[in-house]
Amino acid sequence: EAGVAQSPRYKIIEKRQSVAFWCNPISGHATLYWYQQILGQGPKLLIQFQNNGVVDDSQLPKDRFSAERLKGVDSTLKIQPAKLEDSAVYLCASSLIQGSGNTIYFGEGSWLTVV
Amino acid sequence: QKEVEQDPGPLSVPEGAIVSLNCTYSNSAFQYFMWYRQYSRKGPELLMYTYSSGNKEDGRFTAQVDKSSKYISLFIRDSQPSDSATYLCAMITNAGKSTFGDGTTLTVKP
Repeated sequence: EAGVAQSPRYKIIEKRQSVAFWCNPISGHATLYWYQQILGQGPKLLIQFQNNGVVDDSQLPKDRFSAERLKGVDSTLKIQPAKLEDSAVYLCASSLIQGSGNTIYFGEGSWLTVV
Repeated sequence: QKEVEQDPGPLSVPEGAIVSLNCTYSNSAFQYFMWYRQYSRKGPELLMYTYSSGNKEDGRFTAQVDKSSKYISLFIRDSQPSDSATYLCAMITNAGKSTFGDGTTLTVKP
């Protein structure tokens, strides 16, 4: 079974530029998550989709971050304009369905450095 | 106060030692508990998953949950250098809300 795919793996941009990350979840997984992990911290949920609907985006900085999941499969996370404090790894994850203890599987992450 | 507090570490042990990693939580709505292992420059990898109080064993790993005390632990027996990584605890509510600890970095010295 193929895992969660993410690209690009690494990105360096200047502040105020924009960046986009792509994610393809495990086949058949209805729930997709984007997490931000700053060095030395645990993953923090940015947004959670159930199929193509948003379940939780309470911690997404909506003035600069946006995410979409068209057709309930792939997802894109965009940052515009980027700030220095956005330097982190952006982890995409998926689970079969939300709740009911379905385990969350992560991709390898997209590492962003803002200079 | 964070909903999930994890012993910060870092932790350094000799090969063969028993390792104990711990998290406490404050939200009674957490019903499902997971431990992830994260190697440097990699995504978190699921190690253990449990949903009831008690112990669950998988090889050298044992996950322990005490819902009455809001405390979970991961024990690693006969630790190996390959166990050197950051360990994350994670908790999920019935509604699917997930919260992670900040991780404990473990080094197992040969």
